Amino acid sequence: RKEVEQDPGPFNVPEGATVAFNCTYSNSASQSFFWYRQDCRKEPKLLMSVYSSGNEDGRFTAQLNRASQYISLLIRDSKLSDSATYLCVAVPTGTASKLTFGTGTRLQVTL
Amino acid sequence: NAGVTQTPKFQVLKTGQSMTLQCAQDMNHEYMSWYRQDPGMGLRLIHYSVGAGITDQGEVPNGYNVSRSTTEDFPLRLLSAAPSQTSVYFCASSSTGGHYEQYFGPGTRLTVT
Repeated sequence: RKEVEQDPGPFNVPEGATVAFNCTYSNSASQSFFWYRQDCRKEPKLLMSVYSSGNEDGRFTAQLNRASQYISLLIRDSKLSDSATYLCVAVPTGTASKLTFGTGTRLQVTL
Repeated sequence: NAGVTQTPKFQVLKTGQSMTLQCAQDMNHEYMSWYRQDPGMGLRLIHYSVGAGITDQGEVPNGYNVSRSTTEDFPLRLLSAAPSQTSVYFCASSSTGGHYEQYFGPGTRLTVT
């Protein structure tokens, strides 16, 4: 089983829709979590960190469920420019330098 | 402020050849790392460094060497290229390690024939 698992998609949604992605992690010692966005043939860029209490940044909401070992990303009012691959990342306690990336979930927002 | 730069952007090698992928950052970050990205596999950590003179192995280190003589530079050396090393390579840096935002370079697309 992969340490961090994501549904690869693609998720095809119309503009204005709400879409949610989940990401499960197997290492219960994971301490820090992030969502990165990667456009086609580009480098990943940080979208948002995921805090235990959940956090929101505009149309984006990230949640952490430690009991079930998953993180989620909710995108409201999808825009064409949201089309990208979304990567989740888990970082275990005590091995601060070793990030584990999921394989990514591809989102395609259409007119 | 250029951030993280990588050279070359594209490279084609023959099996058995060696080469060095260059990575440099101008943000005075202590932590730097190398990843490879393959379809269906995601980003996998090759090697990382927590400061000048300190390096360690990641998930897939075989066939690669690194060194960190300065804070700015973190080159990745392929010792004897194999077709299995065909991939996109990303260098990343951050101020204090994995629990903080990683800044990625634009990547190097390597093909080994």
